[in-house]
This record gives sequence, C-alpha cells and structure tokens, in this order.
Amino acid sequence: EDQVTQSPEALRLQEGESSSLNCSYTVSGLRGLFWYRQDPGKGPEFLFTLYSAGEEKEKERLKATLTKKESFLHITAPKPEDSATYLCAVQARNNDMRFGAGTRLTVKP
Amino acid sequence: DSGVTQTPKHLITATGQRVTLRCSPRSGDLSVYWYQQSLDQGLQFLIQYYNGEERAKGNILERFSAQQFPDLHSELNLSSLELGDSALYFCASSFDNEQFFGPGTRLTVL
Repeated sequence: EDQVTQSPEALRLQEGESSSLNCSYTVSGLRGLFWYRQDPGKGPEFLFTLYSAGEEKEKERLKATLTKKESFLHITAPKPEDSATYLCAVQARNNDMRFGAGTRLTVKP
Repeated sequence: DSGVTQTPKHLITATGQRVTLRCSPRSGDLSVYWYQQSLDQGLQFLIQYYNGEERAKGNILERFSAQQFPDLHSELNLSSLELGDSALYFCASSFDNEQFFGPGTRLTVL
C-alpha cells in the first residue's frame, strides 16, 4: 500500500538555524512527489513538485531533493514567517494522492 | 489567494442530514480534487475529476459523492452524516500537476 511518513512530527528552530525535514515514501509507480506549506485553518500552499530521483528544486530559503525512497526539504537560515506545517504527498500511477501527517515547524526569533 | 473558491465557509448540521459543498476552480484548470482533513486522519484524498469525468478515487465513503459540471465547478455531496464526518473539506484545482487549494469548508456535525 502507498505510504508517506514524515519526520520529525515537530521541529523548533532558532531564527537562522538551518535544518531538514524528511519524507519517506512507498508508492506503486511515482508520478510526482509534492511539498506543501499549510498555515493553521488555511488550505495547503504548493511549494514544489519532484518527478524523479536526483531532482532538486529551490525557492527562496527552501530546497527540495528526491531519492527513490525519500525526499528532504532543506530550510536554510529560516525566519519566523517560515513557521507552518509542511506536508509531503505522493501521487501514484493511478493518480491516487497520499499525504504524510506533516512536520510542524516553529522558528523562534 | 489561490483563485479557488469554496462555499460555504462553515456548515453546522445534525447527524443523518445531507449537505452539499461547492468548489469553483481557477480559471483554465480542468482538474478538481476533493480532500478531507481531520485532526486524527490528516489530509485524505477523496476524489479527482478532470473535465467532467471521474479520474481517480481515494478514500471516499459510499455516503459521499461528487460531480463536476460543464462549467467545471464541482460539488461534493455528503449524506447520512455522522459525527466522525466533522472535518475541513478542501477542494483543489490544477492545470497540470501543481494543485492550488481553496480555503476549505469547515463541517461540524452535531
């Protein structure tokens, strides 16, 4: 069965303290791996799509990487406004979407 | 603002009732997705429509149904509601693989 596991569940960083979030997955035929950011009470906001192992994408302080079994979201020199829940999702060959439980990131000034 | 609209924002109803949630996708997007988000289950994919046709089905209960109309808006119908159906329901739309989420409808079943 397709599965997505995110770790850690929660992460507290000081402003400027870089770190990485992990997303481990098993899927029958990966069509894409997605990263989203979600603020409380709001809909997820699209960040990245990765399609194949070795692919990397960057946006401001965020960089996403993909291997055959996991993806990392690297956050460089985070700011308090980066505080949010970060969700990872995989889309299988049959278009089924499976989301992880998310990593709740808090960045303290 | 993602460009995806959902109505209503909040809905309070009783067990056994039926409700309809509405979603208008971004202009030009042909795909619409429905998701349920509860505290204990996280974000669960329910169903996807593409240009009026069902494309993928996730963990959607038989009591739930959806459709996409010729103008591409979509409705999610929830019937015989149970307490456990209380959740945030999100709609997302996409042109390719990048999904844009609406603000959600918060459903409370009493």
